[in-house]
Amino acid sequence: ILNVEQSPQSLHVQEGDSTNFTCSFPSSNFYALHWYRWETAKSPEALFVMTLNGDEKKKGRISATLNTKEGYSYLYIKGSQPEDSATYLCAFGHSSGNTPLVFGKGTRLSVIA
Amino acid sequence: KAGVTQTPRYLIKTRGQQVTLSCSPISGHRSVSWYQQTPGQGLQFLFEYFSETQRNKGNFPGRFSGRQFSNSRSEMNVSTLELGDSALYLCASSLVGQGNEKLFFGSGTQLSVL
Repeated sequence: ILNVEQSPQSLHVQEGDSTNFTCSFPSSNFYALHWYRWETAKSPEALFVMTLNGDEKKKGRISATLNTKEGYSYLYIKGSQPEDSATYLCAFGHSSGNTPLVFGKGTRLSVIA
Repeated sequence: KAGVTQTPRYLIKTRGQQVTLSCSPISGHRSVSWYQQTPGQGLQFLFEYFSETQRNKGNFPGRFSGRQFSNSRSEMNVSTLELGDSALYLCASSLVGQGNEKLFFGSGTQLSVL
């Protein structure tokens, strides 16, 4: 059974703070690593899909890095805003790519104004 | 372009009943996956359909089943409902279901079993 761990489970930060969280996944048979943002009462929305070791992706104030050899990805948020409050999910894609993604339990971020 | 549409949005059933949930993917997407979300758990994979065929199945009992139609719309069915089936059920679509494709999620169906 594949295990995808996210830490911390939850996080409270002040508006303007920068923050980061971690996704750990198996380092073998890597295919892709996904990040999703899930706001309350909405659908999960894709942020990034990364496939290569050393990949770095950026979308506005949010960026992500990938280390497939050691099996981790970091998500960074610079200058957190209240609208960044959401649960951030990572998902691991393995083997040939036709097998289902395995999701972590998420990191719940609350940004306090 | 319309997003992924799930119906109904909310559902209340009693133990022993059965339920059918519907998912219409984004136009052109042929892969539909279903997930169960319960408090404290991550998204648990139920099954994935591609071109009307179940391609992958998660570790759920046989009471959970699904199908996909020729227009890529998908339904999932849960028979003999149990209290533990209370959850948010999400479907997601992608073009062909490759692991490097973004998933597009619906708003989910919140099922309550009394």
